[in-house]
Amino acid sequence: EAGVVQSPRYKIIEKKQPVAFWCNPISGHNTLYWYLQNLGQGPELLIRYENEEAVDDSQLPKDRFSAERLKGVDSTLKIQPAELGDSAVYLCASSLGVKQFFGPGTRLTVL
Amino acid sequence: QQQVKQSPQSLIVQKGGISIINCAYENTAFDYFPWYQQFPGKGPALLIAIRPDVSEKKEGRFTISFNKSAKQFSLHIMDSQPGDSATYFCAASKGSSYKLIFGSGTRLLVRP
Repeated sequence: EAGVVQSPRYKIIEKKQPVAFWCNPISGHNTLYWYLQNLGQGPELLIRYENEEAVDDSQLPKDRFSAERLKGVDSTLKIQPAELGDSAVYLCASSLGVKQFFGPGTRLTVL
Repeated sequence: QQQVKQSPQSLIVQKGGISIINCAYENTAFDYFPWYQQFPGKGPALLIAIRPDVSEKKEGRFTISFNKSAKQFSLHIMDSQPGDSATYFCAASKGSSYKLIFGSGTRLLVRP
């Protein structure tokens, strides 16, 4: 069974540029999560989807971050415009129940 | 109240030894406590998890000990191997929200 797929794996952009990350969850998993992981720290939840609905986006900085999950499968997380402090690893996870399975993440560097 | 505090920050163990990582929480509503293992450049991988209705859970060389009254839980890695060298995160969540609150991580190095 394929795991959570994320792309790109690495992204380097100039500040103020837009960037988008893509996630394909494990087949059949109705819950999808986006986490932010700063260097040397644990992941922090940005947004959680149940099927197409964002049920917890309280930690998402909505002035510059947006996310969507069309048809309740793939998801895209966007940052516009990116700031220096957005440099981090963006992790996607999915679950059918309580067990969450993580993708490899996208490492974003903002110059 | 949402924090999960993890210690130590780093740990060095000799091959064959026991690695012990501790976590403490405040929110008594937490009812699911997983441990994740993360290698450099990889996403966290679920190792083992426990519910508060049991005091211990063992899977292979990995054991979670849970102390509900002290609001603490720990991961024990028996017969530690160099391949266990990674960063370990404890986490907690409550109810059906499944929102994981992670500890700050422990970098484990197992010397040959």
